[in-house]
Amino acid sequence: LAKTTQPISMDSYEGQEVNITCSHNNIATNDYITWYQQFPSQGPRFIIQGYKTKVTNEVASLFIPADRKSSTLSLPRVSLSDTAVYYCLVGDRGSTLGRLYFGRGTQLTVWP
Amino acid sequence: SAVISQKPSRDICQRGTSLTIQCQVDSQVTMMFWYRQQPGQSLTLIATANQGSEATYESGFVIDKFPISRPNLTFSTLTVSNMSPEDSSIYLCSVGGSGANVLTFGAGSRLTVL
Repeated sequence: LAKTTQPISMDSYEGQEVNITCSHNNIATNDYITWYQQFPSQGPRFIIQGYKTKVTNEVASLFIPADRKSSTLSLPRVSLSDTAVYYCLVGDRGSTLGRLYFGRGTQLTVWP
Repeated sequence: SAVISQKPSRDICQRGTSLTIQCQVDSQVTMMFWYRQQPGQSLTLIATANQGSEATYESGFVIDKFPISRPNLTFSTLTVSNMSPEDSSIYLCSVGGSGANVLTFGAGSRLTVL
């Protein structure tokens, strides 16, 4: 499983766009990039997943450059409730389901 | 996605005792996963529980310390045996979701060992 590197922490203010970048230099051809969000006293929650280019859903956007060695999670107009730890994971489809490497994640703190 | 209920949500335990954590899923699933999250740390997979077979443990985790039951396709238990303060953690149950590398997690069971 490819390891990932993310900033340990980030700060933002309400209403701003937040971009969290994850490095995964050893990503394999079959690997997908998946992001999770974890609030205090809760389990991680799936946010978004992609393989290449750009993916957007109602929560976030995921930008993946052509070489796929990094990815950026973009949270538009954050609010206080977006304060959480964000994890970037890479892994191939299915064969290692459950055996996911979460890393340390990025603690995002949104200030009023 | 599946809905997972874990019990207890939190407990305070004495050194040397054992505690069993229950995980109930609202749908039938083949594999269930148990994770540990130590204070301020990330998640570590303890074991994978398949119905009808022995659980598969990750390196550093053994069945004698973390026995797991999987009596049916919607339920599993994890026991933390002979607890010490180092076992103080959040224990999370999860199941596969719709998509590659997509897991649904329970809210976790926060154990404090005195």
